[in-house]
Amino acid sequence: ETGVTQTPRHLVMGMTNKKSLKCEQHLGHNAMYWYKQSAKKPLELMFVYNFKEQTENNSVPSRFSPECPNSSHLFLHLHTLQPEDSALYLCASSQDGTSGGNEQFFGPGTRLTVL
Amino acid sequence: GQNIDQPTEMTATEGAIVQINCTYQTSGFNGLVWYQHHAGAAPTFLSYNGLDVLEEKGRFSSFLSRSKGYSYLLLKELQMKDSASYLCAAMDSNYQLIWGTGTKLIIKP
Repeated sequence: ETGVTQTPRHLVMGMTNKKSLKCEQHLGHNAMYWYKQSAKKPLELMFVYNFKEQTENNSVPSRFSPECPNSSHLFLHLHTLQPEDSALYLCASSQDGTSGGNEQFFGPGTRLTVL
Repeated sequence: GQNIDQPTEMTATEGAIVQINCTYQTSGFNGLVWYQHHAGAAPTFLSYNGLDVLEEKGRFSSFLSRSKGYSYLLLKELQMKDSASYLCAAMDSNYQLIWGTGTKLIIKP
């Protein structure tokens, strides 16, 4: 257990569906992250929230919409996805997002399949 | 551009030693981290190197050479449970982690 939970663990959706991924951390951290991991590709940072403020958005398509209502919860809202969006979506948290040596704690991920 | 290189796959024998190499090119550098990732589980932090020293934690050690843009993760007394992917990531000038594709380590009896 890393102190970061993600739900659901698996999700299959059609291209016209709307779904949301949820992440919760019980570590008292102030920074939270969404990553995408596609097969045989490096982890891609999608969004960073530091003290509930979005500080990074790495050119992610608008069909992915993050929400961070408080420092413990992070959502990723999905709408009209494409099959190439099928991947493992990992959430992580750290004490804050601005220091070197800042260990990130990961959740187990949501395996997303878009049909 | 920013780039992290590590081998795609390695195979080693139980009880042996294996070294996983990682080279990096980033815009600025604020350290390098290693993570272990078992399929279906959360990636877990192994080490952080900010200086050119050997960091040792039990059976695992990590080394950094900033002048060479190079790091390695050394695993001793390999166990079957060490079969996993090992992710190398360098922290750039914005403290953003730039990730490699991971090295899948297969341990054979």
